[in-house]
Amino acid sequence: NAGVTQTPKFRVLKTGQSMTLLCAQDMNHEYMYWYRQDPGMGLRLIHYSVGEGTTAKGEVPDGYNVSRLKKQNFLLGLESAAPSQTSVYFCASSPLGNEQFFGPGTRLTVL
Amino acid sequence: RKEVEQDPGPFNVPEGATVAFNCTYSNSASQSFFWYRQDCRKEPKLLMSVYSSGNEDGRFTAQLNRASQYISLLIRDSKLSDSATYLCVVNFNTGGFKTIFGAGTRLFVKA
Repeated sequence: NAGVTQTPKFRVLKTGQSMTLLCAQDMNHEYMYWYRQDPGMGLRLIHYSVGEGTTAKGEVPDGYNVSRLKKQNFLLGLESAAPSQTSVYFCASSPLGNEQFFGPGTRLTVL
Repeated sequence: RKEVEQDPGPFNVPEGATVAFNCTYSNSASQSFFWYRQDCRKEPKLLMSVYSSGNEDGRFTAQLNRASQYISLLIRDSKLSDSATYLCVVNFNTGGFKTIFGAGTRLFVKA
């Protein structure tokens, strides 16, 4: 039982490049989330999903897209990376919107 | 005003001390409340849920005051291993599910 895993763990991009972050969970949770964490600002919700095939915008969705084609996977895409997207990205899952289980995070730097 | 506010600290306390953190929230429709712990460069992990009647887990006690819209966390007999950032989390559902994390309170426990 791996819990929540994220790939990659680290990535450096140039401005304008695109990439996809993958989150996978093996706990059969319905809800999945993507957050970003910046110094002094806490975790901010980017997008979330309440079930396979569904997605919804969180607090800071601009510049990101997501997909939840399979229940266990939640993908976060950056179509054209900007330096303002330099951050630590955390994925989380929860059974019904309560306790959230987090992955180890992805450290992204956009130059 | 931020939707969830915490004193950023840091709180520097000696081993064995009692320390308390408060967290205020602005949305009276808030439905569920949690304290998470985050170690440096790690993912957040659930410390405890917060119930209206208050709840205790070993050295940790959480309280909710709906009238004044704040939650608190009390740590008794602090250990060196309690050094971390403590995040308060508020969930509410007003026309859409929303989870808000506080920016966190840093605690350093010294020998």
